[in-house]
Amino acid sequence: IAGITQAPTSQILAAGRRMTLRCTQDMRHNAMYWYRQDLGLGLRLIHYSNTAGTTGKGEVPDGYSVSRANTDDFPLTLASAVPSQTSVYFCASSVSGSEAGELFFGEGSRLTVL
Amino acid sequence: GQNIDQPTEMTATEGAIVQINCTYQTSGFNGLFWYQQHAGEAPTFLSYNVLDGLEEKGRFSSFLSRSKGYSYLLLKELQMKDSASYLCAVMDSNYQLIWGAGTKLIIKP
Repeated sequence: IAGITQAPTSQILAAGRRMTLRCTQDMRHNAMYWYRQDLGLGLRLIHYSNTAGTTGKGEVPDGYSVSRANTDDFPLTLASAVPSQTSVYFCASSVSGSEAGELFFGEGSRLTVL
Repeated sequence: GQNIDQPTEMTATEGAIVQINCTYQTSGFNGLFWYQQHAGEAPTFLSYNVLDGLEEKGRFSSFLSRSKGYSYLLLKELQMKDSASYLCAVMDSNYQLIWGAGTKLIIKP
């Protein structure tokens, strides 16, 4: 693994189903993030984690949950998917402190909820 | 509320120079960032400004005026591979990044 890896890269999902997007990084970054990106809108923060064992809510957390059991992994779960959650999801990581704005992104997970 | 404004789309010619503007209104300021995102790919970091002035990095330069809430990204000697979206983001007082919607740059031969 080099950098940050997301899985799956693409998924079609029936409404009401549960879905977990996986994210793993090997850079030993303290901070990790989940964003969604929709056409015409900026990246919107769903949840974040400043360090292993802690998580926080971003701008659009409803319908999503995260966990950070260790430094490397930061899965995002949709408990019961709805069509408005159709989007491209990006996981990202960064070091802490003054370099926290330099994010390293995964390749994205394109999710379609029908 | 917090707001980042940048043009939706710009067109420029290969070999020319283009300036992409970004204005912001945020709760506090801890730096401004520019990212490049090719279609279907992840954003990648380009530049960081925290003090007023110009930061140059090869063909790309980024300028910041904190008093005006304004930044620009300057791309010189444009190449076809520069066709991408350019995202402006500001780190607010809570050290959270606030993102603009991005500027799609189209390069024509």
